[in-house]
Amino acid sequence: GESVGLHLPTLSVQEGDNSIINCAYSNSASDYFIWYKQESGKGPQFIIDIRSNMDKRQGQRVTVLLNKTVKHLSLQIAATQPGDSAVYFCALWAGSYQLTFGKGTKLSVIP
Amino acid sequence: DAGVTQSPTHLIKTRGQHVTLRCSPISGHKSVSWYQQVLGQGPQFIFQYYEKEERGRGNFPDRFSARQFPNYSSELNVNALLLGDSALYLCASSLDGYEQYFGPGTRLTVT
Repeated sequence: GESVGLHLPTLSVQEGDNSIINCAYSNSASDYFIWYKQESGKGPQFIIDIRSNMDKRQGQRVTVLLNKTVKHLSLQIAATQPGDSAVYFCALWAGSYQLTFGKGTKLSVIP
Repeated sequence: DAGVTQSPTHLIKTRGQHVTLRCSPISGHKSVSWYQQVLGQGPQFIFQYYEKEERGRGNFPDRFSARQFPNYSSELNVNALLLGDSALYLCASSLDGYEQYFGPGTRLTVT
């Protein structure tokens, strides 16, 4: 089956710095990837997605990079703010209409 | 616009009992997916429904079942509850099954 891994379970960054959260996947047939943010006690919140025909996509303060050669996905958050503190999940479309989630990275922003 | 709503917010059940969880998707969305999230882990896919038909099923026992109604709301049913069923149950809606938006979840505790 598909496996989705995160390189680091926790990440602490200074307020104002940029954050980079990484994700590795194993299925080269995966064609759709999503980053979600989950705050304590809430459901995952859609941040940004990217399809396999792209290698970069930008949103408001966020950028997703996809490297299909090494099966690696990253989320970059510019000028990290205290409100960015949460658990971040990468998820990928694994066929059969299901999203497969990674274990998550907990981002803590130091004021 | 209202987001995805789920009910109840919390509930406590005893082993062997049955539970029904409910979800109302975002207006206009025709697809509903269900996920189980155990504490400290990423969500795991249970079902996806589109236009009232099951379109995908994750690796969960037959004790788990679901259905989607003509108004696109959905129910998740779990029979013969086990302690290991204690989790946050998340519902996600989407137009076509891909870009999924999550509700706040139902916290189920089995004692």
